[in-house]
Amino acid sequence: KAGVTQTPRYLIKTRGQQVTLSCSPISGHRSVSWYQQTPGQGLQFLFEYFSETQRNKGNFPGRFSGRQFSNSRSEMNVSTLELGDSALYLCASSLGTGSVNTEAFFGQGTRLTVV
Amino acid sequence: QKEVEQDPGPLSVPEGAIVSLNCTYSNSAFQYFMWYRQYSRKGPELLMYTYSSGNKEDGRFTAQVDKSSKYISLFIRDSQPSDSATYLCAMRSEGGTGGFKTIFGAGTRLFVKA
Repeated sequence: KAGVTQTPRYLIKTRGQQVTLSCSPISGHRSVSWYQQTPGQGLQFLFEYFSETQRNKGNFPGRFSGRQFSNSRSEMNVSTLELGDSALYLCASSLGTGSVNTEAFFGQGTRLTVV
Repeated sequence: QKEVEQDPGPLSVPEGAIVSLNCTYSNSAFQYFMWYRQYSRKGPELLMYTYSSGNKEDGRFTAQVDKSSKYISLFIRDSQPSDSATYLCAMRSEGGTGGFKTIFGAGTRLFVKA
């Protein structure tokens, strides 16, 4: 069974630009969560989508947004990029059912560099 | 103060050593405790999860949770060079509108020397 696929793997953007990252979850998984990973802050939760609705949100500015499509694929968008947005962006998919012990599977991430 | 504290290391041990990795947390709402392993240039992979206080063993790995002290540990026995990775603790509580909030520790970099 295919794992979580994130595209692109690497991206270089200029300050002020915007970027869109994509995540295809495991087949049958309806929940997609996004995380930002940096050496200084570790893994920080951005938001979670379930059945095309944002279900939870972390403490990031409004420049970070996302959406989920009917096939559960998700995109996240960062507008007006800042140097501090350089990070590894990870998405995790899970069944998303009403159980706290639903296992989440991570993709390999998109490495975003802002110059 | 962060909700989850984890020493980033690095931690360097000789092959065959017992490794102890730890996290402390402040939010008593956390119900579900996990350990992830992340190799360089890869996404995290789930190693172990526990739901309550006590020990859980899986091969060379033992996860321990002490809710009264808000402290969790991961022990690796007979450590191997292939165990060299970053180990992240994670904790989950109910979020809003039916979802769940997962908070990760900063990760501890482990090096096992042959």
